[in-house]
Amino acid sequence: AQSVTQLGSHVSVSEGALVLLRCNYSSSVPPYLFWYVQYPNQGLQLLLKYTSAATLVKGINGFEAEFKKSETSFHLTKPSAHMSDAAEYFCAVSESSGYSTLTFGKGTMLLVSP
Amino acid sequence: NAGVTQTPKFRVLKTGQSMTLLCAQDMNHEYMYWYRQDPGMGLRLIHYSVGEGTTAKGEVPDGYNVSRLKKQNFLLGLESAAPSQTSVYFCASSYPPQSTGGGQPQHFGDGTRLSIL
Repeated sequence: AQSVTQLGSHVSVSEGALVLLRCNYSSSVPPYLFWYVQYPNQGLQLLLKYTSAATLVKGINGFEAEFKKSETSFHLTKPSAHMSDAAEYFCAVSESSGYSTLTFGKGTMLLVSP
Repeated sequence: NAGVTQTPKFRVLKTGQSMTLLCAQDMNHEYMYWYRQDPGMGLRLIHYSVGEGTTAKGEVPDGYNVSRLKKQNFLLGLESAAPSQTSVYFCASSYPPQSTGGGQPQHFGDGTRLSIL
């Protein structure tokens, strides 16, 4: 069975500061990992995905994530936060077998202050 | 380019009433999904479909039924609504996993906000 743990339901940063959102996963087979972003009253948008190619994945809006198998982690980072980054972020895992359904973490709300 | 469209966007029901949520996608995706989103719970999979005429249960299927009569549509039904089903419902669609095993991203609609009194 697959599962995802996102550390911290809320993360607060100042504009221009480093953003680090943590995600750890559990999977019995090689996983595929995704980060999604949700703005208020909207659906989820794909930020980036890891599908067993490069371990450092670059996404949209300056975000990137690094797959570390030894730590079963897929943390999301951005060097410099912008006010427009304020949103809820979800990490999700899909296994490489079966129908590849997604299992989501509970989400981390990113708050950006001026 | 509409992507995934959910109808209605908002609805208020009384306990015991029934209703159907409609999801339509124009990306020719084989796979479609219904999720519910509750505060602090993330998204939980209700039912999904890997093709026209096929459906399968997800993590939280009780109290819901689904149908996939056409490839582009996926319907979620509540036969007898309960207050515990107050939630935001999201539909998503995707291509099937790649032959090499690559994971496919899911594309989401904007959600249906359902309140059951």
